[in-house]
Parts: sequence; structure tokens; C-alpha cells
Amino acid sequence: NAGVMQNPRHLVRRRGQEARLRCSPMKGHSHVYWYRQLPEEGLKFMVYLQKENIIDESGMPKERFSAEFPKEGPSILRIQQVVRGDSAAYFCASSPDRSTDTQYFGPGTRLTVL
Amino acid sequence: AQSVTQLGSHVSVSEGALVLLRCNYSSSVPPYLFWYVQYPNQGLQLLLKYTTGATLVKGINGFEAEFKKSETSFHLTKPSAHMSDAAEYFCAVSQTIGFGNEKFTFGTGTRLTIIP
Repeated sequence: NAGVMQNPRHLVRRRGQEARLRCSPMKGHSHVYWYRQLPEEGLKFMVYLQKENIIDESGMPKERFSAEFPKEGPSILRIQQVVRGDSAAYFCASSPDRSTDTQYFGPGTRLTVL
Repeated sequence: AQSVTQLGSHVSVSEGALVLLRCNYSSSVPPYLFWYVQYPNQGLQLLLKYTTGATLVKGINGFEAEFKKSETSFHLTKPSAHMSDAAEYFCAVSQTIGFGNEKFTFGTGTRLTIIP
């Protein structure tokens, strides 16, 4: 059973470009969480999605960031018009239900904005 | 609301010595508590977790932690440090399912260095 997959593992963008980060949850998992880790900091919650629904986006910046988890395919975290401050590691986690007891983390995508 | 405080952003211990990483939490409802380890440029690996039951929890790589409700603590220990333990360690809290806040709140991390 494959774990949580994230791609790309490393992404380099210039300021003003768009970044798309993908997360494929574990098989049978319909709950996805996105976290951001800024340099020298812990992980901060961004958004929680179930299939086709955003459940909690209280940690998402108000502008330029969006997330989706379609009925088919991976969850996508999209960052428009990236700025240097968006440089961070973005992790997703998946679970079969709402409980953190069953969340598994992916390896992360490291975004570098030049 | 929930929060996590990790005392000491950097901890150094000699190889073979006791490892003690401190974590205090706050939560308005019964918490779930976790310790994760992160090696450079890698993802998070679960070391151990407390949900219910026995308050002394044993994890992988010889680590253990004790949930002390009266002290709101969940300190991580290992009797004898190994060079391979050098990494960043994160304590995390979440609320039990049903309270509507099942996401993790992480501490800022403790970087553990092992001195040969």
C-alpha cells in the first residue's frame, strides 16, 4: 500500500509565477490536510478538505492561495503570483476519517521562489 | 483552542546519555498528543502518540513519552542517545474526534544534536 505521494518534491518558481503542488492520499483515504513549514519553524495548518469539499480553510492566506480535492485525482494546492515569502516546505497528510490518530504525512514539496 | 510549547529549540547530548525533549500543551478538551521526527530535507515520521489509555507510551527507536495531565506535559525521552537520533523533533496536539478541531497544532521544534 503506497503512502501519501506528493509531487513535485522540489519546485522552483520565479516571482509572479504560479505554483501547483499535488498530493495523492493513501488508498482509501478521503480526507486531506495541507501544512506549511517555513524555514526554522514548525508546521502550520493551512486547509482541510474532503472529496470535493473544503471543510476548514482557516489557515489559508486570504489571497493567492487555493486548494481543491476533486472527485477524481489528487488534491491540488495552488499558489498564484508567488513571492519570496512563499518559499517553504508544503506537506500534505491524509486519513480515512477526521481523526488525527490516523493521519499520515507525505514527504513534502519544497518550493523555492527566486 | 490548543497550543504547544517546546522548551529549548536546540538540545545537545553526548552519545549514550539520556535524551529529554520537553513539550507542554494546552487544550480545552481531552487531547491527542504526538511526537514526530524530521530528518534533513525529509518528511515527518511518527515516533509515538497518546490518544487514550496508558499514559506511558513507547514508540520507535527506543523513544517513549509520558502524558501527565496535571502538568499538561508530554516529554520525550530515550535512555541512551545514538548518533542516528540527530534530527528535528516536533511535538503536536490535536483534539479528539468530534470536537470539530481535529487538525494538528505543532510546536516550533527542537533540534537534537548528538556529541560523539
